Amino acid sequence: GEDVEQSLFLSVREGDSSVINCTYTDSSSTYLYWYKQEPGAGLQLLTYIFSNMDMKQDQRLTVLLNKKDKHLSLRIADTQTGDSAIYFCAEKTPSDSNSGYALNFGKGTSLLVTP
Amino acid sequence: KAGVTQTPRYLIKTRGQQVTLSCSPISGHRSVSWYQQTPGQGLQFLFEYFSETQRNKGNFPGRFSGRQFSNSRSEMNVSTLELGDSALYLCASSLAAGVGNEQFFGPGTRLTVL
Repeated sequence: GEDVEQSLFLSVREGDSSVINCTYTDSSSTYLYWYKQEPGAGLQLLTYIFSNMDMKQDQRLTVLLNKKDKHLSLRIADTQTGDSAIYFCAEKTPSDSNSGYALNFGKGTSLLVTP
Repeated sequence: KAGVTQTPRYLIKTRGQQVTLSCSPISGHRSVSWYQQTPGQGLQFLFEYFSETQRNKGNFPGRFSGRQFSNSRSEMNVSTLELGDSALYLCASSLAAGVGNEQFFGPGTRLTVL
């Protein structure tokens, strides 16, 4: 499929806010996800947003969705060193066959939080 | 509830061999998807199984195959291994296969092909 685009690196200081951006491909995507991957681990679902929403807040996480520009962002408030990880944006797209869906992932943004 | 489990966690094989990876979904989940993660290509979808049927397949050669058992556990098989098959293979489970079902990932199996 086409590429979901993310910037590769982001460095922030502890206590600051982090904003990770993503541009997705399929305007018909109904669900958009943010996953976190720590070194040597699998993917942890952080949050998701349904396409009829503009914003979703979940504790320190805020997701903003701009459907017109197909732009998704994840804001982490009061970023901590434990937030250092790779963050993946993903859209859920229908398969080419007549059933089933797959997650189409970006390449991931490496977030480094410095003390 | 226990999470998604994958076995083995690490595997080393040589070119030409074949390998079978196993995934046990979260209890009650009936859909299992497989993804390949490499530094160059990122995360790529392999296939999805629901109720023992393959519902969706990514763009991988026929050397990659999978199946799902009646207890929802899934296996994937890669035959005639190539160096480029070295990757982290991730399994994800969800309650069902529809678009609104969240996928929860296991820790992955790290396959190294020498």
